[in-house]
Amino acid sequence: AQRVTQPEKLLSVFKGAPVELKCNYSYSGSPELFWYVQYSRQRLQLLLRHISRESIKGFTADLNKGETSFHLKKPFAQEEDSAMYYCALGNGANNLFFGTGTRLTVIP
Amino acid sequence: DGGITQSPKYLFRKEGQNVTLSCEQNLNHDAMYWYRQDPGQGLRLIYYSQIVNDFQKGDIAEGYSVSREKKESFPLTVTSAQKNPTAFYLCASSTQGLEAFFGQGTRLTVV
Repeated sequence: AQRVTQPEKLLSVFKGAPVELKCNYSYSGSPELFWYVQYSRQRLQLLLRHISRESIKGFTADLNKGETSFHLKKPFAQEEDSAMYYCALGNGANNLFFGTGTRLTVIP
Repeated sequence: DGGITQSPKYLFRKEGQNVTLSCEQNLNHDAMYWYRQDPGQGLRLIYYSQIVNDFQKGDIAEGYSVSREKKESFPLTVTSAQKNPTAFYLCASSTQGLEAFFGQGTRLTVV
């Protein structure tokens, strides 16, 4: 069965500090991993996906199949990064499974 | 204007009543989903549908029902069997690339 685990419900960092939001997954096939973000009073939206290997708003995430992880990282956190972040797993059959989310607060 | 629309934004239900939440998309997406969002519990999958006239139960389907008679529409009915229906409900749709687009959500409150 597929599962996404985000161990931290809450994460606080100071502005300018590095931030890492953890995501681990379990899936027997070849996974597609995503990070979604929900800013205050906005819709949940895609932040980035592992297949594109892109950096969005300074965030990057590397798929580590050995550790079954897809942690989201940013070297210097900004106040506007404060939001709810969800890691999601796609199983190639149009099914998306989300983790429980991590609320990131960037302290000025 | 393409997108996914949920209505109503706020909904109040009396104990013992069924209520239906609307979700419409004009993105031509095959897959549609319903999630429930509770504080501290993230997103939990209620039902999903990959094609018209077919849908599957998610992790917390008990007390809910859905239909998928049209590609554009995936309404969710919260039945009286759902013991704790007060929550924020999110509808989403996706295409084969699996980027999901979400609606603005419906906040259901039992009074």
